[in-house]
Amino acid sequence: DTEVTQTPKHLVMGMTNKKSLKCEQHMGHRAMYWYKQKAKKPPELMFVYSYEKLSINESVPSRFSPECPNSSLLNLHLHALQPEDSALYLCASSQVEFDSPLHFGNGTRLTVT
Amino acid sequence: AQSVTQPDIHITVSEGASLELRCNYSYGATPYLFWYVQSPGQGLQLLLKYFSGDTLVQGIKGFEAEFKRSQSSFNLRKPSVHWSDAAEYFCAVAMNSGGSNYKLTFGKGTLLTVNP
Repeated sequence: DTEVTQTPKHLVMGMTNKKSLKCEQHMGHRAMYWYKQKAKKPPELMFVYSYEKLSINESVPSRFSPECPNSSLLNLHLHALQPEDSALYLCASSQVEFDSPLHFGNGTRLTVT
Repeated sequence: AQSVTQPDIHITVSEGASLELRCNYSYGATPYLFWYVQSPGQGLQLLLKYFSGDTLVQGIKGFEAEFKRSQSSFNLRKPSVHWSDAAEYFCAVAMNSGGSNYKLTFGKGTLLTVNP
């Protein structure tokens, strides 16, 4: 069982839809991350939140909008996505930003039609 | 430029055989080093990490890794592979990207197949 919980597990959305991915951890970690993983590829960093503030944005298109409502929650709001955005979206957390091991959730498998 | 290399895209071993997965990095200082494992459709699970100290580190599931500074390597080993070890293995390196900031870079991964 993972200590980082992601919902939903699977999501199918059209290009005009608005949806959100959710991530929750209760380990007291102060850094949270969104990664995107295409098939047979390593995870690619999208965003990092440190102490609830956006620390890193890896030049991600604005159709992806992260939000960190509190230290335990991380959301990723999706709007007007493209089919090439279909991927496994992984959330992770760590005690502090990158200076400690990352704990990953099981991901949300997103399909954009 | 900072980089992580896993030279083997796919490795096949027989159950019970020993395993070594290779990882090399390019960085001017000693980074933080990790090995993660990913089963199909799952997230990544940390196997082990090296920050400092003893260069031979023990992890979960019977895995170990050795940091060799002279070779800029952090190879993962297991003396006897089990069928359940079949998965994708990622080496990851946290390197200083400026000031007190670190950035985690993943290798491209090695897919392990275990034959009965």
